Amino acid sequence: AQTVTQSQPEMSVQEAETVTLSCTYDTSESNYYLFWYKQPPSRQMILVIRQEAYKQQNATENRFSVNFQKAAKSFSLKISDSQLGDTAMYFCAFIHTSGTYKYIFGTGTRLKVLA
Amino acid sequence: DSGVTQTPKHLITATGQRVTLRCSPRSGDLSVYWYQQSLDQGLQFLIQYYNGEERAKGNILERFSAQQFPDLHSELNLSSLELGDSALYFCASSVGTGGLSDTQYFGPGTRLTVL
Repeated sequence: AQTVTQSQPEMSVQEAETVTLSCTYDTSESNYYLFWYKQPPSRQMILVIRQEAYKQQNATENRFSVNFQKAAKSFSLKISDSQLGDTAMYFCAFIHTSGTYKYIFGTGTRLKVLA
Repeated sequence: DSGVTQTPKHLITATGQRVTLRCSPRSGDLSVYWYQQSLDQGLQFLIQYYNGEERAKGNILERFSAQQFPDLHSELNLSSLELGDSALYFCASSVGTGGLSDTQYFGPGTRLTVL
């Protein structure tokens, strides 16, 4: 069965510093996508960044970047120049097709940015 | 604002009752997804509809059902409610069939409390 594991339930970082959130997954599929979603206190789920499994180049979106290690099944999120507005729950998600689509989310990492 | 709307925002009901949650997708989106987020289980994918037809099924209980109407809005029906059904229910929508490159946009969620 496919699983997504976020081993850090909570993290904190000082404003303007860099923080890395970990995510590992388990699958036998070769074709899939990985996502990071942000859920601020408003509870809205917001897409932060996504990575295609067949692409070796790591995805970046402004201050957000990923370190995708396919062989290790690792997909970490790096947030540079952390801002107070980055305070949120961050969910790693895995989507693949194997007859039918599977959308699997990790249990989340609560990130607090400190002033 | 993602463009996905969900009503009601909050719902309080008693065990054994039945409720209906409503979702309107972004303009032009054909797929609707339902997720359940409870405190102890993270985000769980329930079901997906594409253009009125069921496309993918996740961990949806038999007491739960959903449908997508010709105007593309969707309803999630929860019956014989139990205390454990208390959760935040998210709807998401996407343009396509939910394939690997299809970005999902999440609504603000409906908070269901079963007493």
